[in-house]
Amino acid sequence: AQRVTQPEKLLSVFKGAPVELKCNYSYSGSPELFWYVQYSRQRLQLLLRHISRESIKGFTADLNKGETSFHLKKPFAQEEDSAMYYCALSGRGSQGNLIFGKGTKLSVKP
Amino acid sequence: GAGVSQSPSNKVTEKGKDVELRCDPISGHTALYWYRQSLGQGLEFLIYFQGNSAPDKSGLPSDRFSAERTGGSVSTLTIQRTQQEDSAVYLCASSLLRGEYGYTFGSGTRLTVV
Repeated sequence: AQRVTQPEKLLSVFKGAPVELKCNYSYSGSPELFWYVQYSRQRLQLLLRHISRESIKGFTADLNKGETSFHLKKPFAQEEDSAMYYCALSGRGSQGNLIFGKGTKLSVKP
Repeated sequence: GAGVSQSPSNKVTEKGKDVELRCDPISGHTALYWYRQSLGQGLEFLIYFQGNSAPDKSGLPSDRFSAERTGGSVSTLTIQRTQQEDSAVYLCASSLLRGEYGYTFGSGTRLTVV
């Protein structure tokens, strides 16, 4: 079954510290992985896609097929990074929807 | 339009009443999705429309929930005989093709059943 697991409901770090939001997935084929972010009182928005290998707002995520993980990382957290982060999966070439994890709330303290 | 528009932004209804939630996707986006966002539950898939194909209704939690998409554009999610457990934020998203470039989400409708 397709599943996305985000083991941490809440992650709290100090400004300037490295941050890693964990995401593990279960999928039998070739997945496409995404990270979405929701800032306070704003709509959910796409942060990055694994297929584009991009860095957005200093965040990167590498797909590790061996460990079935897609952890989101940033070397130096900023207060404005505080938000809810969702990892999501789609089957490559599928006709269907994204499967989302339950989210991790990141709190960056000054 | 410039983004995905949802209305109303907030809806309070009495238990047992029917509600309709509306989504206006980005022009040209062929795929449209409804999700439910509950505290601690993340985003729960409800239904997916792609062009003129039959919708994927596999996520609808009960037969009280239904949705339609008219003319390949605007979609309406209907909840009949609302229950308190239906209280949540209902999110609509649209995308090009199958969403491999990511979805664009609306701001949601916060439904409260009292």
